[in-house]
Amino acid sequence: SQQGEEDPQALSIQEGENATMNCSYKTSINNLQWYRQNSGRGLVHLILIRSNEREKHSGRLRVTLDTSKKSSSLLITASRAADTASYFCAPDSGGYQKVTFGIGTKLQVIP
Amino acid sequence: DVKVTQSSRYLVKRTGEKVFLECVQDMDHENMFWYRQDPGLGLRLIYFSYDVKMKEKGDIPEGYSVSREKKERFSLILESASTNQTSMYLCASIPGVGSTEAFFGQGTRLTVV
Repeated sequence: SQQGEEDPQALSIQEGENATMNCSYKTSINNLQWYRQNSGRGLVHLILIRSNEREKHSGRLRVTLDTSKKSSSLLITASRAADTASYFCAPDSGGYQKVTFGIGTKLQVIP
Repeated sequence: DVKVTQSSRYLVKRTGEKVFLECVQDMDHENMFWYRQDPGLGLRLIYFSYDVKMKEKGDIPEGYSVSREKKERFSLILESASTNQTSMYLCASIPGVGSTEAFFGQGTRLTVV
């Protein structure tokens, strides 16, 4: 596996606005996953996008994947205060490999 | 629902003590992981295991060891706790073949004094 690099490291927006965070990685992948972590808690899986997919939706989440640029983005539409959390991407190259995470994007949604 | 349970939510130990952090998963997952998380450093992988009695070093194994005697249980051991091991410790499990979605425990906040 490999570590994704999230950008920006911190993001502060008003409630109702959209939040976009990005992930870059280095080598080819089978899929890429996004996770959320509420303060002081474990990570929770949000969404998985496979390498042959370009876009995927789940409720207010929209994930895109550009394998040519080795990047992914997570868009949260109409953000809510409850979306305040850290978000991590996990690129997966397949096989019995260690799963690693980066520093994440810390999102603050201001009511 | 998959459940990954860490034995303690908060733990305070003294320097030099031997510390055991336990993690149990209830879904017959093959792979289990231990991370520590520190501000500004993200999650760092300490050890992982892809089978019973198997273990692999992660990125920061120094000062730690692990044990996996049963498939559902993965223990992290601090042989002689030091203050620089004060951190949030997170355990995760992954089904293995067919799925790479990670399921996390609630975390253990360890303070070494």
